[in-house]
Amino acid sequence: DIQMTQSPSSLSASVGDRVTITCRASQSISSYLNWYQQKLGKVPKLLIYVASTLQSGVPSRFSGSGSGTDFTLTINSLQPEDFATYYCQQSYSLPWTFGQGTKVEIK
Amino acid sequence: QVTLKESGPVLVKPTETLTLTCTVSGFSLSNVRMGVSWIRQPPGKALEWLAHIFSNDEESYSTSLKNRLTLSRDTSKSQVVLTMTNMGPVDTATYYCARSQSESPYYFDYWDQGALVTVSP
Repeated sequence: DIQMTQSPSSLSASVGDRVTITCRASQSISSYLNWYQQKLGKVPKLLIYVASTLQSGVPSRFSGSGSGTDFTLTINSLQPEDFATYYCQQSYSLPWTFGQGTKVEIK
Repeated sequence: QVTLKESGPVLVKPTETLTLTCTVSGFSLSNVRMGVSWIRQPPGKALEWLAHIFSNDEESYSTSLKNRLTLSRDTSKSQVVLTMTNMGPVDTATYYCARSQSESPYYFDYWDQGALVTVSP
């Protein structure tokens, strides 16, 4: 199975900050990397697929990059509604796997 | 409008079998491009992918759980059913069904609201 490792596990940031979350795959997954946002008690929401394609309706302050084994989710100008946990997920090969999550908290 | 709705027990006893049903609307399970996954999340923990059924009825399972999981599909009822045998306390989690395409790239664009299943005597 492909292991997905996110860093950091949590971070504190202020409104307006630029936030970067990293996801590393245990082997190359080309660009088959998705990002989800999950607010407390809510259903995960697809943000980005195939590493950098923004899902419809997702604000443009979210962006994704990377290929191979290293990927990044960037949130430009963090907004109050962005405080949540973010998960990466590989869809390169079955079984599909998620990262352990990165919690973005208010500083 | 795409929706997925899950039904099943909220409480199961250890060693029992869990059966969860995901009923979809707004898309057809017989659509060659659509499939459904099951994903779970123990309280306070990360998401864990469990299983997926493709439009051609092929199935795929989590390596660690494949001996306990079975998927089936009834396209006439727009339902996907997950069964998990020999439930234990560690299986206490919120279970989600989610839609994905049946061809690459795969991603979960619609999720149901999730259902907390508790395993307790």
